[in-house]
Amino acid sequence: KNQVEQSPQSLIILEGKNCTLQCNYTVSPFSNLRWYKQDTGRGPVSLTIMTFSENTKSNGRYTATLDADTKQSSLHITASQLSDSASYICVVGDYKLSFGAGTTVTVRA
Amino acid sequence: DAGVIQSPRHEVTEMGQEVTLRCKPISGHDYLFWYRQTMMRGLELLIYFNNNVPIDDSGMPEDRFSAKMPNASFSTLKIQPSEPRDSAVYFCASSPRSGQVYEQYFGPGTRLTVT
Repeated sequence: KNQVEQSPQSLIILEGKNCTLQCNYTVSPFSNLRWYKQDTGRGPVSLTIMTFSENTKSNGRYTATLDADTKQSSLHITASQLSDSASYICVVGDYKLSFGAGTTVTVRA
Repeated sequence: DAGVIQSPRHEVTEMGQEVTLRCKPISGHDYLFWYRQTMMRGLELLIYFNNNVPIDDSGMPEDRFSAKMPNASFSTLKIQPSEPRDSAVYFCASSPRSGQVYEQYFGPGTRLTVT
């Protein structure tokens, strides 16, 4: 069983709208939680990294939250743009990473 | 910096052939990782190196896979003999040690197709 579960598997939103992606993890011990963006045909690119003591981290229109007690994280995308269409992957770990399956986001004009 | 460089970007080979994937990490990074990505299994860590030394190869599928890092600026992942189920995108990533956080920078990947 995957130790990092993401939902939804995919979603479609209209340009300009907001959306929230969810991540639940069971990886232990916990060190860092990361969100990566992966465009089609490219390698993943880091959006945010949070240690277990952090609750929120922002990177432009991307805001990640972390609840280490419930082992849940979310990624909020504000005012979506067409360029936000990608797969968003939740990743837990330090140097040895555990990856979620990703949420595919499609932004439509 | 040019980022992590991988070659080739695409490789098509026949079953039974030897395949060698190459990676040049970002200069000054202490860690190098090899990953495999498939639709079924997502991203999986195969092996990682610290200062050119293999630290954990528990993700390497079987003896047909081998990885080397002869120096700080070059690593190879070799598959011999290749099989159709090895078809995947292989990523190399490198990371500097920075406090508690190991930021990993991924290369563009090599798409391997074994027929």
